[in-house]
Amino acid sequence: GAGVSQSPSNKVTEKGKDVELRCDPISGHTALYWYRQSLGQGLEFLIYFQGNSAPDKSGLPSDRFSAERTGGSVSTLTIQRTQQEDSAVYLCASSQLGSSGRARYFGAGTRLSVL
Amino acid sequence: TQLLEQSPQFLSIQEGENLTVYCNSSSVFSSLQWYRQEPGEGPVLLVTVVTGGEVKKLKRLTFQFGDARKDSSLHITAAQPGDTGLYLCAGGTTGNQFYFGTGTSLTVIP
Repeated sequence: GAGVSQSPSNKVTEKGKDVELRCDPISGHTALYWYRQSLGQGLEFLIYFQGNSAPDKSGLPSDRFSAERTGGSVSTLTIQRTQQEDSAVYLCASSQLGSSGRARYFGAGTRLSVL
Repeated sequence: TQLLEQSPQFLSIQEGENLTVYCNSSSVFSSLQWYRQEPGEGPVLLVTVVTGGEVKKLKRLTFQFGDARKDSSLHITAAQPGDTGLYLCAGGTTGNQFYFGTGTSLTVIP
């Protein structure tokens, strides 16, 4: 596609339920990132995939969070047993290479609300 | 601990005024980027600077990278309502680390 696509755009769930958020990066981009953003705040790094290398999971806040990237393209972020503090906008980004200076291209995000 | 601190955190100004947003750190970065994020959208890259002392201009926006590559500023001349948004700086290191700043929320009142 022309840009990074995320789905769903909005997700409302009940506390304790599991949710899956999807990210379809720009075709040809080898690096994929997940970030979390609380209302009007900066970005909190969650996880980073680069090609076939082991992902950098250093930003995942707890073991309830996991992510996978299939075939080097689409990625799914899974949150198990959601808590109210998980409510935020989850942003996915991709870049051509994983180096620090490469521009990140972001999707519009998934707004997660945990009731 | 935030590696990149932005100031001010919030800014509300009248159309036509000038403003400056600061991005400061005690760490050295090999590159510094600025993004703008509008409500309901993801951040969009405005500029990348890589050389200490570098100045880049994008229409009414002027970006500067500090000589020591630890800080940066964004200056907007004659702000317009379309400049409203969240401005984020982001720094990359030679160790392939990348950090976003704390953000500056700008509102330009018509």
